Amino acid sequence: AQTVTQSQPEMSVQEAETVTLSCTYDTSENNYYLFWYKQPPSRQMILVIRQEAYKQQNATENRFSVNFQKAAKSFSLKISDSQLGDTAMYFCARSGAGSYQLTFGKGTKLSVIP
Amino acid sequence: DADVTQTPRNRITKTGKRIMLECSQTKGHDRMYWYRQDPGLGLRLIYYSFDVKDINKGEISDGYSVSRQAQAKFSLSLESAIPNQTALYFCATSRHTGELFFGEGSRLTVL
Repeated sequence: AQTVTQSQPEMSVQEAETVTLSCTYDTSENNYYLFWYKQPPSRQMILVIRQEAYKQQNATENRFSVNFQKAAKSFSLKISDSQLGDTAMYFCARSGAGSYQLTFGKGTKLSVIP
Repeated sequence: DADVTQTPRNRITKTGKRIMLECSQTKGHDRMYWYRQDPGLGLRLIYYSFDVKDINKGEISDGYSVSRQAQAKFSLSLESAIPNQTALYFCATSRHTGELFFGEGSRLTVL
């Protein structure tokens, strides 16, 4: 089975600091999409950022950016200037070209400390 | 109003009961999904549908069934609920670019 691995079950960061969440994945496809989702205590799943595998440029959304290493099958999320509202579970996910079924990692619980 | 609406939001039931979780969407997407979330396991795909006449099993379909009543409606049924089906269930839709748009989740507890 093709998998998505988040090796850090829990992390913490001081408010205003920068933190990086790791994600590696397995795929035999050349074209696919990668995503980071955030799940705050409200349990809503919120899309944070999206990366298309055929694009070499790393995606950025305000304080959130990714480091996409296609050859290494690595897709890490960097959160800059961490805020208390960033406290949440973060899930990495990968889709396959054509099917668009997302496979999720098991999540990283991030706590932002005041 | 939410684009993807799930009912009920919370439900407690007993072993052996039939349960239906309903999902409706106003996003106009053809693709709809049911996922299950368990602590430490992430989200796992139960069933998905790419249009009204297309239903497909996901990773963990045993014990579940679905019905796509219309483009906007996709319901999940547990014919005879068991305690290990206690979980948070998400309905989602997607467009051609792949990202999922989730409902607010339905927390099911089976006693």
